[in-house]
Amino acid sequence: AQKITQTQPGMFVQEKEAVTLDCTYDTSDQSYGLFWYKQPSSGEMIFLIYQGSYDEQNATEGRYSLNFQKARKSANLVISASQLGDSAMYFCAMREIHGGSQGNLIFGKGTKLSVKP
Amino acid sequence: DVKVTQSSRYLVKRTGEKVFLECVQDMDHENMFWYRQDPGLGLRLIYFSYDVKMKEKGDIPEGYSVSREKKERFSLILESASTNQTSMYLCASGLYGSSQETQYFGPGTRLLVL
Repeated sequence: AQKITQTQPGMFVQEKEAVTLDCTYDTSDQSYGLFWYKQPSSGEMIFLIYQGSYDEQNATEGRYSLNFQKARKSANLVISASQLGDSAMYFCAMREIHGGSQGNLIFGKGTKLSVKP
Repeated sequence: DVKVTQSSRYLVKRTGEKVFLECVQDMDHENMFWYRQDPGLGLRLIYFSYDVKMKEKGDIPEGYSVSREKKERFSLILESASTNQTSMYLCASGLYGSSQETQYFGPGTRLLVL
């Protein structure tokens, strides 16, 4: 079974609108971390935002926020006021502290976001 | 500012050649990682290392080996390149033992094996 599921292979959003990228995860570990990365066409993976499993508040970083719903095991990324430069691949990842992944990051398959002018 | 560099951005090799991909980080990180990225499959971990001369297999180690002789350098080796190893290869580094710490990625190497 997939540990990280991103159900949207591709999405379009109009410039200046908000967009939500979905991510669900599967773990039996009580302690874990969730990450979002952006990968522009240049290839480099850019860290965007982190949410710990014990964090009570949703993480925010500028225009990025993470809608963390622990009971539903979802960690959706919300980008407000989309910009043309937001066009990229977005990856959700998880680190389990006690799970079988040896503490390494487990990545989803990604969502390609295209921002329309 | 963390910097992870990879020896090549683009590489073209022939089937059967030995291929070296090198990665250097300047943040004194204990952990280093090699991933391959293919469309529709996301990032898959090939090998990782927690310390000099230590290596651990990731999810897809077959056909690859690694070398970590110095803390800052982690090399991925394709002993005999095959066409199914055509891919994007990403190196990353990170701190050991911190659950909140992100990994820092290099720019990637796009390898084409003919």
